[in-house]
Amino acid sequence: DGGITQSPKYLFRKEGQNVTLSCEQNLNHDAMYWYRQDPGQGLRLIYYSQIVNDFQKGDIAEGYSVSREKKESFPLTVTSAQKNPTAFYLCASSPTWGARYNEQFFGPGTRLTVL
Amino acid sequence: AQSVTQLDSHVSVSEGTPVLLRCNYSSSYSPSLFWYVQHPNKGLQLLLKYTSAATLVKGINGFEAEFKKSETSFHLTKPSAHMSDAAEYFCVVSDIGNQFYFGTGTSLTVIP
Repeated sequence: DGGITQSPKYLFRKEGQNVTLSCEQNLNHDAMYWYRQDPGQGLRLIYYSQIVNDFQKGDIAEGYSVSREKKESFPLTVTSAQKNPTAFYLCASSPTWGARYNEQFFGPGTRLTVL
Repeated sequence: AQSVTQLDSHVSVSEGTPVLLRCNYSSSYSPSLFWYVQHPNKGLQLLLKYTSAATLVKGINGFEAEFKKSETSFHLTKPSAHMSDAAEYFCVVSDIGNQFYFGTGTSLTVIP
């Protein structure tokens, strides 16, 4: 089955630690995205990648980093510089960047809790 | 600039009655519009999308939405609510670069 997988489903982190969230897709999509979701808010864009070996900051990139070394993988690192990292993180992909009616396909999410 | 306003943060309906979830958008271009559904602790699933081919868009699970340019609205409807429809619903507008702008969501409760 084609789709997007995210791991782990739940993640606990101590303050001051970096953690990496995994996102893998087998849809052969060029574009990938990371969003953060907090209660009562819509999704906010952290980083996006239009194509392999390229990525751009979104609206709330501070305290996060990404890489896109392979087309199918777009890991997100939450660094100790992120002041309030407890949230639900969603990864998404779309076939190409800039195609007007492209929908985004979402993974199941990772819930990160800082202890 | 693109933005989306979902007019109700919570909606409650009885099972078997109609559902109306309201969405207004702002876009500098002729917009792409989407509705997604999210069940608790899950990812988002596409319900339907507006692609300018028709103003009335039919989606999955009996949902549909009507694009009204004069009102800048894209309201989501369903004739008869089912218990399984209880979830969070997001209206999304996409800009020319395919970046998504999300509304803050509407939580739908279905009362048996």
